[in-house]
Amino acid sequence: EDKVVQSPLSLVVHEGDTVTLNCSYEVTNFRSLLWYKQEKKAPTFLFMLTSSGIEKKSGRLSSILDKKELFSILNITATQTGDSAVYLCAVEAEINNNNDMRFGAGTRLTVKP
Amino acid sequence: NAGVTQTPKFQVLKTGQSMTLQCAQDMNHNSMYWYRQDPGMGLRLIYYSASEGTTDKGEVPNGYNVSRLNKREFSLRLESAAPSQTSVYFCASKWSGGNEQFFGPGTRLTVL
Repeated sequence: EDKVVQSPLSLVVHEGDTVTLNCSYEVTNFRSLLWYKQEKKAPTFLFMLTSSGIEKKSGRLSSILDKKELFSILNITATQTGDSAVYLCAVEAEINNNNDMRFGAGTRLTVKP
Repeated sequence: NAGVTQTPKFQVLKTGQSMTLQCAQDMNHNSMYWYRQDPGMGLRLIYYSASEGTTDKGEVPNGYNVSRLNKREFSLRLESAAPSQTSVYFCASKWSGGNEQFFGPGTRLTVL
């Protein structure tokens, strides 16, 4: 059964800390892995990863994919209170000749001042 | 551009009632999606439409039907609502050559 597992489920840190969020997956016909940030409303896109070992970076956020070990990490350095959100990992896979998107349960990050 | 819009924002139904959730996008995207989000379970794909005139089942299609009315609009119908369908429903769209899905603001549905 295809699945996407994120860890930890929740995390509380203080401003300035560095955090690493994990996403492991088991899907057949993998196409891509995406990270989203969800605050009180709709998810917003962060990164899409398709190739192993190539880091995607945007400001203090970075992400990398390991297609051999079937996982991805999302790093946030020098965290700020505005980083508080649920971070969602999603895997796009081809299932029954259709593109399907499976999301993990998310990691709830709380950054305290 | 309004992006992806959803109506209604909130809805309360009684068991057995029917309703249609509306979604529209003005970004000329080919692909549109319906998800439900439940606590501790992340987003689950209900149905999607890769292009106008086509629809396909996602992970949790039972109890739902969809219509891709035109390129802009993708509706989700609950024919006979059940308490298990209490959830937040998100519509999303994507350009077929693009990376990211753009999400609507969501519809919070409660079935009593």
